[in-house]
Amino acid sequence: DAGVIQSPRHEVTEMGQEVTLRCKPISGHDYLFWYRQTMMRGLELLIYFNNNVPIDDSGMPEDRFSAKMPNASFSTLKIQPSEPRDSAVYFCASGETDQYSNQPQHFGDGTRLSIL
Amino acid sequence: RKEVEQDPGPFNVPEGATVAFNCTYSNSASQSFFWYRQDCRKEPKLLMSVYSSGNEDGRFTAQLNRASQYISLLIRDSKLSDSATYLCVVSRNTGFQKLVFGTGTRLLVSP
Repeated sequence: DAGVIQSPRHEVTEMGQEVTLRCKPISGHDYLFWYRQTMMRGLELLIYFNNNVPIDDSGMPEDRFSAKMPNASFSTLKIQPSEPRDSAVYFCASGETDQYSNQPQHFGDGTRLSIL
Repeated sequence: RKEVEQDPGPFNVPEGATVAFNCTYSNSASQSFFWYRQDCRKEPKLLMSVYSSGNEDGRFTAQLNRASQYISLLIRDSKLSDSATYLCVVSRNTGFQKLVFGTGTRLLVSP
């Protein structure tokens, strides 16, 4: 089975540019998560969706960040305008509701973002 | 205080050694617990869930102490391939969705 697919794998862009990260969750999973990982702060949850609806965006750092999930197989995380402090690895993960609460999240390979 | 705290290490052990990691969490409402493994420049991958009664998966044993709010991971007969960062993960609520990740404990297994 295909796992979570993220694109691009690497992105280098200049400060002020718009950045769009993409994610395709595992088919059948009803939860989708966006995380950011830095050396200083570790892995942080930015936002998550259930059945394409944003449930909790309290981790989104500021208004420059936005996320959408137009359908069950696609989500985007957008940064506009980008700043050097946004440089990090951004992971998308998906998961499914189950009668057992201990269902894990499955991560994509991540997008390594560098803002110059 | 961080919600999930781990010793960053690194733990340097020889092949065949037994090594244990501990992790403490601050939210007593947490209901789901996991250990994830992350290799350098790779995505986190689930190593094992942690159940109240403790559980074992091959060379790996996980324990949960709700009263003291800590989780442990024991690795027996360490292999070179066990070298990685081990992330302690707890749920922020009663579900599994809002996970809080520790910053990880780095393990280096040497020949």
